[in-house]
Amino acid sequence: GNSVTQMEGPVTLSEEAFLTINCTYTATGYPSLFWYVQYPGEGLQLLLKATKADDKGSNKGFEATYRKETTSFHLEKGSVQVSDSAVYFCALSDGRTDSWGKLQFGAGTQVVVTP
Amino acid sequence: NAGVMQNPRHLVRRRGQEARLRCSPMKGHSHVYWYRQLPEEGLKFMVYLQKENIIDESGMPKERFSAEFPKEGPSILRIQQVVRGDSAAYFCASSPPGVANEKLFFGSGTQLSVL
Repeated sequence: GNSVTQMEGPVTLSEEAFLTINCTYTATGYPSLFWYVQYPGEGLQLLLKATKADDKGSNKGFEATYRKETTSFHLEKGSVQVSDSAVYFCALSDGRTDSWGKLQFGAGTQVVVTP
Repeated sequence: NAGVMQNPRHLVRRRGQEARLRCSPMKGHSHVYWYRQLPEEGLKFMVYLQKENIIDESGMPKERFSAEFPKEGPSILRIQQVVRGDSAAYFCASSPPGVANEKLFFGSGTQLSVL
């Protein structure tokens, strides 16, 4: 079956540091890939997505590129802020239009940014 | 425009009691998904509902768990005879009809604690 593996946290960084969170997946067919972010006490929010190979999703300074050859979708940000402290989830859907909301999530990576 | 509303935020039950979790989707959204997040794990899909229909319940435990999304009112996730292993955060997400932009809108979750 489909699965998502992401690096364990917590990841602790200083403000303005470079952030990378690794995510790899196993899936058949043509999945869509997502990064969701969960701020303390809140629900998950879609951060970015990519629906086909070589697509790059980007939002709020975050980027991730859909790499089919390495089955990866690593999240990056060049200069983090304290407000980026949150838990980040990598997820995939199987790409079928009738089940796109049925997501497979990774375990989440907590990111802590210190001033 | 209110987001996805879940209540209660925290629910404490003793073993053997029933738990009812409510989810009001965003206005205009007719699709609801329930996910469960066990400690230190990612979110796991439970069930996908449209108004008055269960579309996919492949993630629901076979016993004690049920879900509904009536024509009027919120979606309800019901857990009968709760056990300690049911302690988790339960998240609801909604989406409008159709694939749209493949974006799920999540509520803030209900934290269920079973004593």
